[in-house]
Amino acid sequence: DAGITQSPRHKVTETGTPVTLRCHQTENHRYMYWYRQDPGHGLRLIHYSYGVKDTDKGEVSDGYSVSRSKTEDFLLTLESATSSQTSVYFCAISGTGERTDTQYFGPGTRLTVL
Amino acid sequence: GDSVTQMEGPVTLSEEAFLTINCTYTATGYPSLFWYVQYPGEGLQLLLKATKADDKGSNKGFEATYRKETTSFHLEKGSVQVSDSAVYFCAEVRRNTDKLIFGTGTRLQVFP
Repeated sequence: DAGITQSPRHKVTETGTPVTLRCHQTENHRYMYWYRQDPGHGLRLIHYSYGVKDTDKGEVSDGYSVSRSKTEDFLLTLESATSSQTSVYFCAISGTGERTDTQYFGPGTRLTVL
Repeated sequence: GDSVTQMEGPVTLSEEAFLTINCTYTATGYPSLFWYVQYPGEGLQLLLKATKADDKGSNKGFEATYRKETTSFHLEKGSVQVSDSAVYFCAEVRRNTDKLIFGTGTRLQVFP
């Protein structure tokens, strides 16, 4: 299994509070991704990174920001959490960017915004 | 934009039954195609993949063939087990991107 950890694994927070989720990899992979999983939608890409300090938006990026100051860490921040951001969040990594490259997923973080 | 469509679940089968989960894609060109599996409470694991037309991906008794003429990548298994109960996701990666496009997932329930 790819060495990907996510923290925290579970979090309950209140509307309007900031939340940061962390993804950590030990594989030295270049690409990292944040997805959210919701019933009826499968997984949707929030943001991704193709290198240190290089990030870009996915299809559902509103209300989220990311940072990547080191190869191994990719942070997802909800500046002011809303109930619509209650979801399961998955981090993924992939290698050198070949079009056939495979993404490996972390165990997920279940976030509940009250 | 690109999309992946897979059959809605849940799919309910008895142990040793034959499984088919349909998946079609819309990306033009030659996307890479994937099946991921998610067991309860866990993240997604790669089950199999195919990178060009007529390729067959296989793993753990599951198979899927890349059919460009029908833009399909149906998942099959000849004899399912209770331990195969999970949610299965079809996905594509379009040429020159690294963004996975997922289907909505199909829940499989296998009963003894």
